[in-house]
Amino acid sequence: QVQLQESGPGLVKPSQTLSLTCTVSGGSISSAGYYWSWIRQHPGKGLEWIGFIYYSGSTYYNPSLKSRLTISVDTSKNQFSLKLTSVTAADTAVYYCARNPTGGLVYFDYWGQGTLVTVSS
Amino acid sequence: DIQMTQSPSSLSASVGDRVTITCQASQDISNYLNWYQQKPGKAPKLLIYGASDLETGVPSRFSGSGSGTDFTFTISSLQPEDIATYFCQQYEHFPITFGQGTRLEIK
Repeated sequence: QVQLQESGPGLVKPSQTLSLTCTVSGGSISSAGYYWSWIRQHPGKGLEWIGFIYYSGSTYYNPSLKSRLTISVDTSKNQFSLKLTSVTAADTAVYYCARNPTGGLVYFDYWGQGTLVTVSS
Repeated sequence: DIQMTQSPSSLSASVGDRVTITCQASQDISNYLNWYQQKPGKAPKLLIYGASDLETGVPSRFSGSGSGTDFTFTISSLQPEDIATYFCQQYEHFPITFGQGTRLEIK
């Protein structure tokens, strides 16, 4: 059973960089056939896809965040990470990591529990 | 970006009722649509992918249909554990986008 777990600071100051890591267990992040995603949910709102990465390092980003976003992978640690620069209060959200298959179907079948990140001074 | 519009935004129904939620895409997305269930404080759970395929382990009272721009999600007989918010998600065009959610309550 694949499990994902987000970790990182729960409070980030405006203009600073938000950094989160997702640790994958119960399966290898290097398994062919899966992308590894970040998705966020603003308080009381809907879901926003941030981007995903393949174990090779190939990335796909939401254009609305692309200029501030870096997603990376560390296969030796079975982890992938998110860095979002120049954050504002609008980046306050619950951040989820998730898995989605390659091959044309883009659905998120395994999710982390989510971590709330608040941007505030 | 493709806009996904769900209706209604909230719904109250009785146990045993048939419940239907619709999702309309701002442009043709073929059948590239998924449905998720989210309970308070939890991550979303995949229920339906490819508009109508039931994820493994999901009860058969959940179903989905549609193609193009108009999609329907149905619970054939509402159970107390189905109280949640339901989201649609399209993946025909990047960026991937979600509907705003439909909050389902027990009457």
